[in-house]
Amino acid sequence: ETGVTQSPTHLIKTRGQQVTLRCSSQSGHNTVSWYQQALGQGPQFIFQYYREEENGRGNFPPRFSGLQFPNYSSELNVNALELDDSALYLCASSTTSGRANTGELFFGEGSRLTVL
Amino acid sequence: GIQVEQSPPDLILQEGANSTLRCNFSDSVNNLQWFHQNPWGQLINLFYIPSGTKQNGRLSATTVATERYSLLYISSSQTTDSGVYFCAVERFSGGYNKLIFGAGTRLAVHP
Repeated sequence: ETGVTQSPTHLIKTRGQQVTLRCSSQSGHNTVSWYQQALGQGPQFIFQYYREEENGRGNFPPRFSGLQFPNYSSELNVNALELDDSALYLCASSTTSGRANTGELFFGEGSRLTVL
Repeated sequence: GIQVEQSPPDLILQEGANSTLRCNFSDSVNNLQWFHQNPWGQLINLFYIPSGTKQNGRLSATTVATERYSLLYISSSQTTDSGVYFCAVERFSGGYNKLIFGAGTRLAVHP
């Protein structure tokens, strides 16, 4: 148990729809990162949130967006779903002190999204 | 960007055997983590090891940052060790850190 919880665990959407995934970070962690893991590949960094703002982004289009709330929990929103968005979406929590992210990342169990 | 290469890509062992998994990375990094991904997708932290050697039970890891590689040792393997092992490097860039994952080593341990 990492203390990072994600919901829902599984969901099915159709192309063009929108989806919201949720993540609660580990107690004491103030930074949340989201990763996409396609089948058979390693996770890819989507973006990171700290102090309720996006402070880093990977190579993902603007239809991938997020939020972080005062309690450090986070949402990942994906608009205009495409078939290639089918993947396991992983949330990770960690601690940022000053300008540096310090320490380990701890991952939730993921949300498995299927787009038909 | 940083490239992370893991070898071997696939590994099949008999229960009780030992193995070594390797992770090479192409540039200096701030930190390195090893994970085990179970069949349900959960990434389980094994080691947070920017340098040096750590041991946890049957598992140990060594990172030689100056030579840009890390090794994960599994001794006396068990069927529950099956799954995918990922090496991920952490690089501080533009005010944030992100993990860059290798493609993983898929381990199957047979009784």
